[in-house]
Amino acid sequence: GENVEQHPSTLSVQEGDSAVIKCTYSDSASNYFPWYKQELGKGPQLIIDIRSNVGEKKDQRIAVTLNKTAKHFSLHITETQPEDSAVYFCAAPNPDTNAGKSTFGDGTTLTVKP
Amino acid sequence: DGGITQSPKYLFRKEGQNVTLSCEQNLNHDAMYWYRQDPGQGLRLIYYSQIVNDFQKGDIAEGYSVSREKKESFPLTVTSAQKNPTAFYLCASTLSTVSNQPQHFGDGTRLSIL
Repeated sequence: GENVEQHPSTLSVQEGDSAVIKCTYSDSASNYFPWYKQELGKGPQLIIDIRSNVGEKKDQRIAVTLNKTAKHFSLHITETQPEDSAVYFCAAPNPDTNAGKSTFGDGTTLTVKP
Repeated sequence: DGGITQSPKYLFRKEGQNVTLSCEQNLNHDAMYWYRQDPGQGLRLIYYSQIVNDFQKGDIAEGYSVSREKKESFPLTVTSAQKNPTAFYLCASTLSTVSNQPQHFGDGTRLSIL
């Protein structure tokens, strides 16, 4: 099955700085890579995703890059704001099943200091 | 608005008691999932269902049971056999079982032992 590793587990930045979170995956057949943001006491919400036919995708201050050869993908947040403070999860599908299942990273707690 | 509703938000279990967590979705999604979230351990899959009247065990199914009698409902029962039930439980759904689509999450139920 798929194995996903996420780094770092915690990240603290000053407001206005950039933040980068990286995930590696094991199954070269994986073709879809979402990122979720989880605020305290809430469920994760999709913030951006990328499919294997593109290398980068941007949405305002957030971007995701994918390197299929190296089997890693990264979340980039620019001009961070205090409201970006949350836990971020990456995920990769389990392509060897037909169940829509995904394997999640262990999460990164991002703290943006004002 | 379409979404996933989990109830209750907080739940307390006594020794030897079974408790049931509710998950309802009005997204017309085929597949539904239950995850357990412990601090620093990401999301671990308990059970999933690809279609009504069908469900499969995930990675940590022992001590849990589910049913899927209606497309929109996927309740989770935490039985007395689950010796460490204290956790945050998340329900999710996907439109279908194709692997390249995001999961939609509810806002979770926090279960504690009395």
